[in-house]
Amino acid sequence: QVQLVQSGAEVKKPGASVKVSCKASGYTFTGYYMHWVRQAPGQGLEWMGRFDPNSGNTKYAQTFEGRVTMTRDTSISTAYMELSRLRSDDTAVYYCARDVRGGETRYYYYMDVWGRGTTVTVSS
Amino acid sequence: SSELTQDPAVSVALGQTVRITCQGDSLRSYYASWYQQKPGQAPVLVIYGKNNRPSGIPDRFSGSSSGNTASLTITGAQAEDDADYYCNSRDTSANYVFGTGTKVTVL
Repeated sequence: QVQLVQSGAEVKKPGASVKVSCKASGYTFTGYYMHWVRQAPGQGLEWMGRFDPNSGNTKYAQTFEGRVTMTRDTSISTAYMELSRLRSDDTAVYYCARDVRGGETRYYYYMDVWGRGTTVTVSS
Repeated sequence: SSELTQDPAVSVALGQTVRITCQGDSLRSYYASWYQQKPGQAPVLVIYGKNNRPSGIPDRFSGSSSGNTASLTITGAQAEDDADYYCNSRDTSANYVFGTGTKVTVL
């Protein structure tokens, strides 16, 4: 079955960087874009960006431009999201989610499979 | 950047019908997708496209769209539908945005 398995929880100090991994299985990794979404404690979902594992092309949310980098290793079907210059308000659960798109006269896009999330805590 | 607005909270009696709305300019061009999230869990896709349910999602969940508003309807709400619900859409700049979220309480 299609599955996204994320790396374990991280604790970082302000100013440091964190790199979260998302290993895909059950489908062709390079055939689907991947999104990264985060959720701060008690808050809503926030889209961070999407990544094309085939080309390496990225689209980052303006909020994270300059601080986020999305990459992949196709040999192990794994996507990565690195966030730098961490602040306390980056404390959140970070999710990867597979992108699906379709439609003819009107397009639709959705995230059909999600990882379980990686908790990142930023604290001095 | 685009925004999607949802009512913060709604309540529904067990077995009754509830509609959750999502408003935003991007919805004039693209269909919304809807996600259910329970505490401590990852979001789960419940509706996508014009009105499509992934395998395993009960048919009491349905979606609709008109103008700049998308709606998610739960017909015959069950106790297990008590959760947060988020809409999501892409915009014309290829950015994605989530709605502000609606907490559904089943009484």
